[in-house]
Amino acid sequence: NAGVTQTPKFQVLKTGQSMTLQCAQDMNHNSMYWYRQDPGMGLRLIYYSASEGTTDKGEVPNGYNVSRLNKREFSLRLESAAPSQTSVYFCASSEVTLGEQYFGPGTRLTVT
Amino acid sequence: DQQVKQNSPSLSVQEGRISILNCDYTNSMFDYFLWYKKYPAEGPTFLISISSIKDKNEDGRFTVFLNKSAKHLSLHIVPSQPGDSAVYFCAATQGGSEKLVFGKGTKLTVNP
Repeated sequence: NAGVTQTPKFQVLKTGQSMTLQCAQDMNHNSMYWYRQDPGMGLRLIYYSASEGTTDKGEVPNGYNVSRLNKREFSLRLESAAPSQTSVYFCASSEVTLGEQYFGPGTRLTVT
Repeated sequence: DQQVKQNSPSLSVQEGRISILNCDYTNSMFDYFLWYKKYPAEGPTFLISISSIKDKNEDGRFTVFLNKSAKHLSLHIVPSQPGDSAVYFCAATQGGSEKLVFGKGTKLTVNP
């Protein structure tokens, strides 16, 4: 089992460019999440998906869109990247609502 | 408004001694708490959790204590080992919610 995988690992964008961060899990989990981690800020929830076909906003959704393509995959899209979106992005999944979340290795994004 | 606070950004202890990491929360609706451990360049991994119906949960060298009246929880690591050196995040949620709220983390260094 690979667990939660994320691509790419690193990305540099210019302001205004768009990109999609990919996430996939092979644990048959229902729920999936996108977080960002900034220095001194901990992890903040961007969007989550409680089940295939549903998505909801988290704490910091502005500037992002998500797609729950199927049960395995949950992508995060930046339509017009801004320097404020420079961060490390983590995808996670969980089986049940109060269950532990399993995290991917992260994508380090720099927007110049 | 920070709902989960880890007021110590860093902690340094000697190998073999006890490490105590603290976490405070402000939202009285939180009823489930988790600790995650994060090594550099990796995603967080689940360590231990506690429900508000308990005041203690143990798993090997790791024990979490919950004081609901003080809205405070702590993670004890006994004995501490150099491999425990990592950033530890406290997280909280309320029943039925998909959303975890994370603290900013405490960097633990265990010196040989």
